[in-house]
Amino acid sequence: DAGITQSPRHKVTETGTPVTLRCHQTENHRYMYWYRQDPGHGLRLIHYSYGVKDTDKGEVSDGYSVSRSKTEDFLLTLESATSSQTSVYFCAISRRTGSYEQYFGPGTRLTVT
Amino acid sequence: AQKITQTQPGMFVQEKEAVTLDCTYDTSDPSYGLFWYKQPSSGEMIFLIYQGSYDQQNATEGRYSLNFQKARKSANLVISASQLGDSAMYFCAMILRNTGNQFYFGTGTSLTVIP
Repeated sequence: DAGITQSPRHKVTETGTPVTLRCHQTENHRYMYWYRQDPGHGLRLIHYSYGVKDTDKGEVSDGYSVSRSKTEDFLLTLESATSSQTSVYFCAISRRTGSYEQYFGPGTRLTVT
Repeated sequence: AQKITQTQPGMFVQEKEAVTLDCTYDTSDPSYGLFWYKQPSSGEMIFLIYQGSYDQQNATEGRYSLNFQKARKSANLVISASQLGDSAMYFCAMILRNTGNQFYFGTGTSLTVIP
């Protein structure tokens, strides 16, 4: 258990509304990631963070922003949700020892109507 | 450009038989790592096995082994003695060490174990 929680676990929202998803870790890892998972696409990286206030874009960052003001929390914000952002969102941490494998949170299912 | 390719959308295997899930990758970065993850129907992502680009031997973890063929850029997962609980989606992933340590995932293979 990597001590990663995500909130909310499920959310339904309307097009045009802002949405913030939270990822919380208890193990003080430096690297955190946000992915979205869609059928036929696997997992695609949205944004990642390599420290407090240090973030970078992934391959599908358009329409998303992130913030990390504390080591343990990594927030993903959809400023104005669109139906194309309906997806399952996963947060992950990377243990920077050995193989650097990632460990994932339980996921958030977001539906934009 | 697709960096990880999994060409088998769905696979079936008889219980207790071995199965190979294919994964090919594309990178010019000499330092990289390859991973396999399992996603059962409950949705969580479970780390299975890792192979580093400089590792001389193929990785093994219990019933999982990674058949790493560097020249062919393939990293196939072999599951021996399949169990019903192995039915899940399996994702191959790669980390590139010299380009920001980003991860790339394949589109996954759905494995069904038949009793």
